[in-house]
Amino acid sequence: GNSVTQMEGPVTLSEEAFLTINCTYTATGYPSLFWYVQYPGEGLQLLLKATKADDKGSNKGFEATYRKETTSFHLEKGSVQVSDSAVYFCALSRDNFGNEKLTFGTGTRLTIIP
Amino acid sequence: DGGITQSPKYLFRKEGQNVTLSCEQNLNHDAMYWYRQDPGQGLRLIYYSQIVNDFQKGDIAEGYSVSREKKESFPLTVTSAQKNPTAFYLCASSAHDRGGYTFGSGTRLTVV
Repeated sequence: GNSVTQMEGPVTLSEEAFLTINCTYTATGYPSLFWYVQYPGEGLQLLLKATKADDKGSNKGFEATYRKETTSFHLEKGSVQVSDSAVYFCALSRDNFGNEKLTFGTGTRLTIIP
Repeated sequence: DGGITQSPKYLFRKEGQNVTLSCEQNLNHDAMYWYRQDPGQGLRLIYYSQIVNDFQKGDIAEGYSVSREKKESFPLTVTSAQKNPTAFYLCASSAHDRGGYTFGSGTRLTVV
């Protein structure tokens, strides 16, 4: 079945550092890939997405590229801020327009120190 | 603005009681989902519904029940059969367009 493996946290960085959170997946067909962010006590918000191989999703300075050859969708940001502290989830959806059920990774907690 | 509303934000339940968590969306999405999140853990799927009057069990459906009588609403009942109900519950919806989910802000359920 489908699965998502995320880099284990927690991750602690200084402000303005470079961020990478690794995500790899196992899936049949051509899934869509997503990164969600969860701030304390809140629901998840869609951060970015990519729907086909070599697509790059980007938002708020974050980027991730859909790499089919390595089955990866690593999240990157060039200069993190304290406000980026949150839990980040990688997810994939089935390649079936009739069923959008997402499979989530376990989440990576990111803390940015001023 | 369109979105998903979960209520209440905090809920306390005595052991042996059933409680119902509300989830309403005005996004005209066909599909709706309930997830459970425990501290430091990922999301586990409880139930989902692709269309009105139809729903399927997820990975941890035991002790929970749902209904989908209206497109906009997907309430979750946590029954007394759920042995460890204290958790953060998240509702989500999606259109069938690969756009991903829209989440509500969650309900934190505590058994006292």
